[in-house]
Amino acid sequence: NAGVTQTPKFQVLKTGQSMTLQCAQDMNHEYMSWYRQDPGMGLRLIHYSVGAGITDQGEVPNGYNVSRSTTEDFPLRLLSAAPSQTSVYFCASRVAGYNEQFFGPGTRLTVL
Amino acid sequence: DAKTTQPPSMDCAEGRAANLPCNHSTISGNEYVYWYRQIHSQGPQYIIHGLKNNETNEMASLIITEDRKSSTLILPHATLRDTAVYYCIVRPPNDYKLSFGAGTTVTVRA
Repeated sequence: NAGVTQTPKFQVLKTGQSMTLQCAQDMNHEYMSWYRQDPGMGLRLIHYSVGAGITDQGEVPNGYNVSRSTTEDFPLRLLSAAPSQTSVYFCASRVAGYNEQFFGPGTRLTVL
Repeated sequence: DAKTTQPPSMDCAEGRAANLPCNHSTISGNEYVYWYRQIHSQGPQYIIHGLKNNETNEMASLIITEDRKSSTLILPHATLRDTAVYYCIVRPPNDYKLSFGAGTTVTVRA
């Protein structure tokens, strides 16, 4: 069991560029989420999914898109990167109705 | 979701118990108390959760007051590897999100 995996670990973008952060889990979890964490702060929810084909917005969804075509994968797309999106991004998953959420190791993104 | 209040930081001696307080005075009847921790640069890690009763697992114990307005996470024998930010979170069951505040930065000293 690899758990929750994220790629890349580090990324530097220029303002206006687009990219996709990858997230995958091999635990057959229904629920998947994306969070961002700015320096010295807690995590904030960007988007989440309760199953394949179902996504919804979290607290800070602007500038990000998601899709969930399979149970395993939940990519996060930055449409046009801005310096304000410099952050650490965490993907998480859990079983529906269960309480423990598993987090990936994070992707550290810098937008210049 | 009910809000939580935690001290910003605390120190603990290695081998001693670490008692981490959390206030959640506006908690509702169906909201659980969760604890997660985040070791530097890593993703958060689940520790324990509870509703009314005290809970214990291999990592920690959770003590919830009778009125449920506060709780204490106890790390029974702190080690240097327990140095981390500890988050106390309250939410209803089956809610999709976790609302992380600033947490308590715990430093275990040798």
